[in-house]
Amino acid sequence: NAGVTQTPKFRVLKTGQSMTLLCAQDMNHEYMYWYRQDPGMGLRLIHYSVGEGTTAKGEVPDGYNVSRLKKQNFLLGLESAAPSQTSVYFCASSLTQNTEAFFGQGTRLTVV
Amino acid sequence: AQSVAQPEDQVNVAEGNPLTVKCTYSVSGNPYLFWYVQYPNRGLQFLLKYITGDNLVKGSYGFEAEFNKSQTSFHLKKPSALVSDSALYFCAVSFLGNQGGKLIFGQGTELSVKP
Repeated sequence: NAGVTQTPKFRVLKTGQSMTLLCAQDMNHEYMYWYRQDPGMGLRLIHYSVGEGTTAKGEVPDGYNVSRLKKQNFLLGLESAAPSQTSVYFCASSLTQNTEAFFGQGTRLTVV
Repeated sequence: AQSVAQPEDQVNVAEGNPLTVKCTYSVSGNPYLFWYVQYPNRGLQFLLKYITGDNLVKGSYGFEAEFNKSQTSFHLKKPSALVSDSALYFCAVSFLGNQGGKLIFGQGTELSVKP
């Protein structure tokens, strides 16, 4: 009963390096989301997807790219990491537009 | 603009006492309201939601919340707090016509329940 799984759980990057965060869900959900969590700011939406092959920008998309080639996977890429991208990243999925979202356990990313 | 406000960064309660975590929202149209809880180093867990119908909704772990349209509020409540309820609580809102069902989150309220 995996739900939403994120890899990796922790990562340290040097400024300018690139990386990809993987999110996988086994609930056949159409909607998937990437959020970042920063102290005192709640969760802010980076990008989202309403189905396989579709992506859209959220509230804070700059510096990130995403892809959803398969329904169960949603990838978040950082092409050139910056210290401002130090954060905890959460992936989530939901069955429909207004049902509850299920969250992964998060990826703690530090950019030095 | 759509927004959610949680006016208290921290709420302190003694075990056994009732607790309230406040949330107000601003959206165009009918809101869909959610509460999530986050334990340290964990993802968010769904507690309860209001979509339509009865203004008082009951959720997991004995929590409930009351939707008040006139005050645009959705406060989280529990009659008797437990030490294990200590965590970070997030209110979130979506709304009809919100493409992609994006959730808008409040900044979170840290609940501390002392024995």
